[in-house]
Amino acid sequence: ILNVEQSPQSLHVQEGDSTNFTCSFPSSNFYALHWYRWETAKSPEALFVMTLNGDEKKKGRISATLNTKEGYSYLYIKGSQPEDSATYLCAFNGGGGSNYKLTFGKGTLLTVNP
Amino acid sequence: SQTIHQWPATLVQPVGSPLSLECTVEGTSNPNLYWYRQAAGRGLQLLFYSVGIGQISSEVPQNLSASRPQDRQFILSSKKLLLSDSGFYLCAWSVREYQPQHFGDGTRLSIL
Repeated sequence: ILNVEQSPQSLHVQEGDSTNFTCSFPSSNFYALHWYRWETAKSPEALFVMTLNGDEKKKGRISATLNTKEGYSYLYIKGSQPEDSATYLCAFNGGGGSNYKLTFGKGTLLTVNP
Repeated sequence: SQTIHQWPATLVQPVGSPLSLECTVEGTSNPNLYWYRQAAGRGLQLLFYSVGIGQISSEVPQNLSASRPQDRQFILSSKKLLLSDSGFYLCAWSVREYQPQHFGDGTRLSIL
């Protein structure tokens, strides 16, 4: 059974704060690591798909890093805004026979207070 | 552009009743299709995926089944619902494996 852990489970920050959270995943048989944002009453939205160790991706104020050797990824949000409030999900994509399967973490619920 | 439609949005069913949830994708051909469930307090769990018409892979043994009668149609079914089938069901598609998945709006299923 694959273990994908996200921490913290929830986070409250003030508008303008920068924040980050963690996703840990198996370091063996790695192919890709996905990040999704899931806002209340909407469907999950893809943020990043990362495949290379040391990779860093950026989308506006949100960025992510990847360490496949130690099995973790960080998601950073710079200058948080209330509209960033959402659950942030990471998902592990293994190779071989698990090509199609995403194993999701339980997510980090971010609340940004104005 | 591609869109994904999933219905119904909410459903309340008695234990033992049948289930049919439908998902269709527009604007793409031969997508990979997925059914997920989020039970209370748990992460998204992959139930089924399909790489082509009539091709279904099951990830979790249960009383649910899936079918793909057309290229862009994915159906989740049950002959007899259990209380444990309650949850939030999401359909998703991707161009191929390892690519971002695009989700529908989900179905909230409550079993009484």
